[in-house]
Amino acid sequence: GAVVSQHPSWVICKSGTSVKIECRSLDFQATTMFWYRQFPKQSLMLMATSNEGSKATYEQGVEKDKFLINHASLTLSTLTVTSAHPEDSSFYICSAARLGNTGELFFGEGSRLTVL
Amino acid sequence: AQKVTQAQTEISVVEKEDVTLDCVYETRDTTYYLFWYKQPPSGELVFLIRRNSFDEQNEISGRYSWNFQKSTSSFNFTITASQVVDSAVYFCALSEARGAGSYQLTFGKGTKLSVIP
Repeated sequence: GAVVSQHPSWVICKSGTSVKIECRSLDFQATTMFWYRQFPKQSLMLMATSNEGSKATYEQGVEKDKFLINHASLTLSTLTVTSAHPEDSSFYICSAARLGNTGELFFGEGSRLTVL
Repeated sequence: AQKVTQAQTEISVVEKEDVTLDCVYETRDTTYYLFWYKQPPSGELVFLIRRNSFDEQNEISGRYSWNFQKSTSSFNFTITASQVVDSAVYFCALSEARGAGSYQLTFGKGTKLSVIP
């Protein structure tokens, strides 16, 4: 199956710093990537949809200046949590849709962010 | 309105018992996809199955089976002869068209399955 890789898997940072999470589709081109956030014992909530070469579309309630998303190529999307605060601590998961999206998404391993 | 409902928040079964995880969905699209994912304690999402809206055949894969019924908008998941390794959170998800050929995946709240040895 298609492989999506996220990096880093774990990150701990100080409050006020910025953290970048990368999402790469390793063996296919992804026109669309999605970023999800998951709080402990809760479901995955879609944060934003990023399309290669254009601005991301954010879901209601998600601060676009806080969560910067860049989809610079067909195999890479990045999520930058700016000026992180403890409440940003969460599990962030990306997923990618193949070129010619057929509705199937491939998920990364997730990145666990802890802000001290 | 909630589009994917997993009414069972937590289920505990004894090893070797069968267990069914319920999923009810809501959509106005005629073309859509339904998924089940497993999330073990390590956190990664493990893809289990994808079913498109035009294929109502039930599917069996080893100890796993799925029952898709459009008439009741349900896509239930049964694990036969459960094992401790089946302990995880299971998510049902619905993928709907969002225009311009893109799809959005909406997750249910998940069912935590604990299999007791």
